[in-house]
Amino acid sequence: EIVLTQSPATLSLSPGERATLSCRASQSVSSYLAWYQQKPGQAPRLLIYDASNRATGIPARFSGSGSGTDFTLTISSLEPEDFAVYYCQQRRTFGQGTKLEIK
Amino acid sequence: EVQLVESGGGLVQPGGSLRLSCAASGFTFSSYWMSWVRQAPGKGLEWVANIKQDGSEKYYVDSVKGRFTISRDNAKNSLYLQMNSLRAEDTAVYYCARVSMYYYGSGSYARYYFDYWGQGTLVTVSS
Repeated sequence: EIVLTQSPATLSLSPGERATLSCRASQSVSSYLAWYQQKPGQAPRLLIYDASNRATGIPARFSGSGSGTDFTLTISSLEPEDFAVYYCQQRRTFGQGTKLEIK
Repeated sequence: EVQLVESGGGLVQPGGSLRLSCAASGFTFSSYWMSWVRQAPGKGLEWVANIKQDGSEKYYVDSVKGRFTISRDNAKNSLYLQMNSLRAEDTAVYYCARVSMYYYGSGSYARYYFDYWGQGTLVTVSS
């Protein structure tokens, strides 16, 4: 079974800064990786699928890259509403999450 | 607009049972694989179960096999999770999620990710 490891566990940044979140798979998943955003008390929301495709309605400041075992979610310029927990996922496996908090 | 609305959560004693429901609207429910995903308090996401469009295939995480049953009623646009022999470690918010599909030729195929989620229903297992 594939294991997804996200880093860092917590990322402290200020609005306007660039955020880079990492997800590493224990074996190759080709480009079949998704990213979700979850705010407190809310359901997860699909951001990115197939490593780099933005889901419907997702702002262009969110981008994904990578293939094989190493993937990155980048938020080019943080807005106040972007501070949340982010999960990567492949099939039945989720990463443990990265909490993006305001510095 | 796609909507998934869960219900049926609550407080139950260890060893008890609970049935969760998910009412779907805004899409052709019978055309999609559906899933349950849970999240223990303060923890990450855990996939629980999947069911094929016609209910002919079902898959479960090992920790719930033999205790939980996923089912659906396409005539009622509804997804269910029957949970028996509940344990404290089953305490979580349970989300209903739609599995994304792609279409090629005359066929439809499940993708690996979840494109819509319900708001969740809390299940607490405690004496």
